[in-house]
Parts: sequence; C-alpha cells; structure tokens
Amino acid sequence: DTAVSQTPKYLVTQMGNDKSIKCEQNLGHDTMYWYKQDSKKFLKIMFSYNNKELIINETVPNRFSPKSPDKAHLNLHINSLELGDSAVYFCASSPRDRRNTEAFFGQGTRLTVV
Amino acid sequence: RKEVEQDPGPFNVPEGATVAFNCTYSNSASQSFFWYRQDCRKEPKLLMSVYSSGNEDGRFTAQLNRASQYISLLIRDSKLSDSATYLCVVRRDTDKLIFGTGTRLQVFP
Repeated sequence: DTAVSQTPKYLVTQMGNDKSIKCEQNLGHDTMYWYKQDSKKFLKIMFSYNNKELIINETVPNRFSPKSPDKAHLNLHINSLELGDSAVYFCASSPRDRRNTEAFFGQGTRLTVV
Repeated sequence: RKEVEQDPGPFNVPEGATVAFNCTYSNSASQSFFWYRQDCRKEPKLLMSVYSSGNEDGRFTAQLNRASQYISLLIRDSKLSDSATYLCVVRRDTDKLIFGTGTRLQVFP
C-alpha cells in the first residue's frame, strides 16, 4: 500500500532512446510533481500538475513531456535521451489547498543514459 | 543565486553533539517552510514543518525569521542515525515546493 509509487526503480538506456517513467499516488492528493536530482544532489522541480492540469513547467527541454491521465497518475516521457539526462527522478504529491502540508515522494527512478 | 540557500557541509560531529543548520530564502512571498531529511539513495521525507513561533519535536528545534528570511534547524544530542542530508524547503504558492541544495550531516562515534 505504497503511497507514491514509481516504476521503474532503475533504468539504463542508450542515448537517443525514448523512455517513460510512471507514477501513481493513492493518497487522494490533487497535486503531483516531477523533480530531478542531479549528480550534485540538487533537487529541482520540473513539472507540477493539479487535477490533471499543468501548473508549473520549469525550463525543461521539450523532450520531456509529462502526462496526467487522471489525478492519481503523472507519467514522464522522455524523447531522444541525452547523457545529461542521467539523474534520479522523483515523483511527489501533496494536497493542494493546505499550505503547511508536506509533499510525499516516491522512491525515485535512477536513470542512466549510456 | 538559488532561491533557497544552504551550506552544503559536510558537518562532521561526534555523537551527543549539538549541531545547527541555517537556510536563507530570497522570495518574500514564500508562505510555508519545512525541513526534509534525505538518506543516501532514498527519497526525501518530511522531518518537520517550521512555524513562525518556532517549534520543537524531540531533539529537533526549527525556527523561522520572516524579517531576515532565515530558517534554522537545531539538533541536540546527535545520534549516529541522524547522519543524512537535511533539505530546507520553501513553499511559494500552493503548487510549488522549492528545495535548498541540502546540508550533509555525518555523526561519528
């Protein structure tokens, strides 16, 4: 009964490939996020969705396309993978209208592009 | 300049020591503040929220100074299990959590 689950946990792929990471939350939260944690361990927001609607799109290349089929799912599709995309990608969710509530994170997907 | 700044450390302290971490944020519209903890190769998890009046949870005390845009975390009587990276987090609006770069703590016997 994991609250926020991501698959796969590890992903090794060649440059130029297209890959997807899936995320699901069973907490009933309205808001979901994708964060990227690079080799320097800095956690940077990429996207935020609220009730399937894109709210935040930080300066992320167009090769990254999030998709939210319903408010419990937020998937991340990456086209034409590059070496610099290697990082840990975290999905998270939180209730929208309660400012002091925390975000819950998935276990992360460690993407390695070779 | 990053929106949330922290000293990356590492802070190497003996068991039983008291250690303090500081964090500054640049956007005065920030509304909510948190400390998260991240263990090696794991996801970040909430340690505690930070309230204007300051708050304590066992050995952990968090303080917020809105005028100076400054947040602190004090850990008393450090345990080996406190070794982790501590992330200062600011919520600017209801849809966005901004993370600091994290401060690494290593507690040694």
